[in-house]
Amino acid sequence: DTGVSQDPRHKITKRGQNVTFRCDPISEHNRLYWYRQTLGQGPEFLTYFQNEAQLEKSRLLSDRFSAERPKGSFSTLEIQRTEQGDSAMYLCASSLDLGASGGNEQFFGPGTRLTVL
Amino acid sequence: GENVEQHPSTLSVQEGDSAVIKCTYSDSASNYFPWYKQELGKRPQLIIDIRSNVGEKKDQRIAVTLNKTAKHFSLHITETQPEDSAVYFCAARGGADGLTFGKGTHLIIQP
Repeated sequence: DTGVSQDPRHKITKRGQNVTFRCDPISEHNRLYWYRQTLGQGPEFLTYFQNEAQLEKSRLLSDRFSAERPKGSFSTLEIQRTEQGDSAMYLCASSLDLGASGGNEQFFGPGTRLTVL
Repeated sequence: GENVEQHPSTLSVQEGDSAVIKCTYSDSASNYFPWYKQELGKRPQLIIDIRSNVGEKKDQRIAVTLNKTAKHFSLHITETQPEDSAVYFCAARGGADGLTFGKGTHLIIQP
């Protein structure tokens, strides 16, 4: 499968625990994005990387959230001290950015569904 | 930041008829407007996109129009089929690089 993959697909945790999700983008893509989607809503942007550099963070990304992309390939999203309000689908997307005139279609992964009890 | 409004939230059409979904955006710097289709339990998939230097784009039964002056863009699906039933999201990319999505339109194709 050459698409975006995410692991795990489902995660159930207790309030206060830490969780970490992984995203593997399409191999030649230099940009990687994290979004959060709750039921009945569109995806909400959290953060994105260009290669290994984290270039933008949404105000939705509280101090309990941290994301890394250490070698410019896969990325991890960690949530510390989870709260019930963190329950959502966490989507990863990747794109190949070729500059201002280049294509930037974002390809989404299947998501990780987080349930905080 | 960018704000995207999408209407209607639910759209029911007879099979074979056309469907139109409309979105408005707030950031005049936005330059890229994709439309995604999401079936229940699946990932969003791009169906068509348009850039700010183009007013209209068509791909078979799907077309998108963009009015930069009014800051709105629309998705048109002609000759609707049962497999078109899904949730459709519009999005905009402005000065920041993350996409801002609308709240979605649940399209129901009635046989």
